[in-house]
Amino acid sequence: AQRVTQPEKLLSVFKGAPVELKCNYSYSGSPELFWYVQYSRQRLQLLLRHISRESIKGFTADLNKGETSFHLKKPFAQEEDSAMYYCALSGYYGGSQGNLIFGKGTKLSVKP
Amino acid sequence: KAGVTQTPRYLIKTRGQQVTLSCSPISGHRSVSWYQQTPGQGLQFLFEYFSETQRNKGNFPGRFSGRQFSNSRSEMNVSTLELGDSALYLCASSLAQRGSPLHFGNGTRLTVT
Repeated sequence: AQRVTQPEKLLSVFKGAPVELKCNYSYSGSPELFWYVQYSRQRLQLLLRHISRESIKGFTADLNKGETSFHLKKPFAQEEDSAMYYCALSGYYGGSQGNLIFGKGTKLSVKP
Repeated sequence: KAGVTQTPRYLIKTRGQQVTLSCSPISGHRSVSWYQQTPGQGLQFLFEYFSETQRNKGNFPGRFSGRQFSNSRSEMNVSTLELGDSALYLCASSLAQRGSPLHFGNGTRLTVT
């Protein structure tokens, strides 16, 4: 069965410290993985996707198929990074990928 | 471009009633998906529509239904409301290309009493 696991409900770090938000997935096929973020009082929005291999707001995520992981990392956390982070897996069917399987989310709190 | 718009923002209904939620996607987006968000279950996929056809369906009872119009706007309907249907219902639109992200609306907060 397709599943996304985010083991930490809450992660609290100090400003300037490294951050790693864990995400593990279960999927029989070629996965498409995403990180979505929800800042306070804002809508859920895409942070980054593995196919783009991009760095957004200093965050990166590498797909490790051997460990079935897609951890989100940032070397130096900022207070404005405080938000809810969701890892998501695409259930891709015939040309469309509206079916995302989300993890339960990790709340990141960056303290001054 | 205007973002995904959901109406209404808040709804209060009683058990047994039915409700219709509306979603206007970003212009040019032909795929619209619906999700239910609750504190216990998190974000769960309800269904996806593409070109007026339901493409995928999540594991929800038949009381949950939806449709999409020719202008890509979508509605979802929940009949015979139960207390457990209280949730934030999110709509998302996309270009429906592999790897294209979902763009979410602000959601409709449904409370069933």
